[in-house]
Amino acid sequence: QLQLVQSGPEVKKPGTSVKVSCKASGSTFSTSAVQWVRQARGQHFEWIGSIVVASGKTNYSQMFQERVTITRDMSTSTAYMELSSLRSADTAVYYCAAAAPHGTWGGFDPWGQGALVTVSS
Amino acid sequence: QSVLTQPPSVSGAPGQRVTISCIGSSSNIGSGYDVHWYQQLPGTAPKLLIYGHNNRPSGVPDRFSGSKSGTSVSLAISGLQAEDEADYYCQSYDSVLSGWMFGGGTKVTVL
Repeated sequence: QLQLVQSGPEVKKPGTSVKVSCKASGSTFSTSAVQWVRQARGQHFEWIGSIVVASGKTNYSQMFQERVTITRDMSTSTAYMELSSLRSADTAVYYCAAAAPHGTWGGFDPWGQGALVTVSS
Repeated sequence: QSVLTQPPSVSGAPGQRVTISCIGSSSNIGSGYDVHWYQQLPGTAPKLLIYGHNNRPSGVPDRFSGSKSGTSVSLAISGLQAEDEADYYCQSYDSVLSGWMFGGGTKVTVL
């Protein structure tokens, strides 16, 4: 059974970058896509982007595509999401989740535990 | 503002049936993209509840069911239990925005 464990909370200054990791355990990581989603306190979910683990192909939300880079390291079964030019509005819990590599079937399952990123001067 | 519209809250007594609507448009639900539902308990990560309109992952009770009609979908919870008190979110792909979208969430309260 695939499990996703994310890195810990981060506090960053405005204008800097943050890199959140998502380490997978289980045999299906290489055949999945990793999705990244964030949730600000009291707000709804915002999809950030995704990476197909096998090919490395990425797909970014129009809202984040200028500032986000998603990568993966197959040797350590880890995916990464780096967000640059941080501002206070980026303060949120960032989640990774596994999904089918193509198409829209199956939903996001499982999810990581989330990583709180706080942007404050 | 969410592309998918959900009621902010619904409530019901234990044992009752409640439904949560999720209204989309022709660029998402109406285009035939799969709709998924998630349950989020306070302070925890979301959990997949329903995928592909009306399919339950292993371990999800059959009290939870989904349906679709045109550009909207619904999640029904029958035999409401105290442990069902949580936030519920719908999700679909949107072809105009070229990405995944979530509803604004519905808080279910068990009276």
